[in-house]
Amino acid sequence: EVQLVESGGGLVQPGGSLRLSCAVSGFSVSDNYMAWVRQAPGKGLDWVSVIYSDGTTQYADSVKGRFTISRHISKNTLYLQMNSLRLEDTAVYYCAKERAGLERYYGMDVWGQGTTVTVSS
Amino acid sequence: AIQMTQSPSSLSASVGDRVTITCRASQAIRNDLGWYQQKPGKAPKLLIYAASSLQNGVPSRFSGSGSGTDFTLTISSLQPEDFATYYCLQDYTYPRTFGQGTKVEIK
Repeated sequence: EVQLVESGGGLVQPGGSLRLSCAVSGFSVSDNYMAWVRQAPGKGLDWVSVIYSDGTTQYADSVKGRFTISRHISKNTLYLQMNSLRLEDTAVYYCAKERAGLERYYGMDVWGQGTTVTVSS
Repeated sequence: AIQMTQSPSSLSASVGDRVTITCRASQAIRNDLGWYQQKPGKAPKLLIYAASSLQNGVPSRFSGSGSGTDFTLTISSLQPEDFATYYCLQDYTYPRTFGQGTKVEIK
């Protein structure tokens, strides 16, 4: 069964760090583009980061230099290391699989259930 | 970054109505656009990819059209389970950008 299960969310103070995990089953994290998308309370969806199948990474300007996306191939798990957290990083964080072809993309077709990050003093 | 402007931000409609949501990109994005449905407390769900291709398992009352900068999601006959928030997402380039969302409510 194809499934994504996020974990690692919680309450953290401003300036703190947190690492989110996304356990993947049913397909290989190394063969796919994997992304993080977040949603602040009562707000819309906000793209955060992606890691390509070749390991290349991309980030939203709002998290560049503070967040790092990575993967562990043997554990088939995606990560998001979040440092220097700000109040505005408070959100539900979703991992998702992005379908990628030859320089074309076909949407995020598999999503996890989300994990909640709250940044507060 | 490419800006995606979605309209309306909300709408009220009745079961059986035809509903249209639009999304405009700040620059041409070919047909590299998807539409997502999100219900409260749930993850988004892919409905349409490549502007007009129906994702497997999605009812045929959903359709998408457009290319370049202007795109449309149409629900031909609104069903009770369609009351949700809908988002467009450009996948032409990174950073990816979503529209602000359209909340479809019961009239």
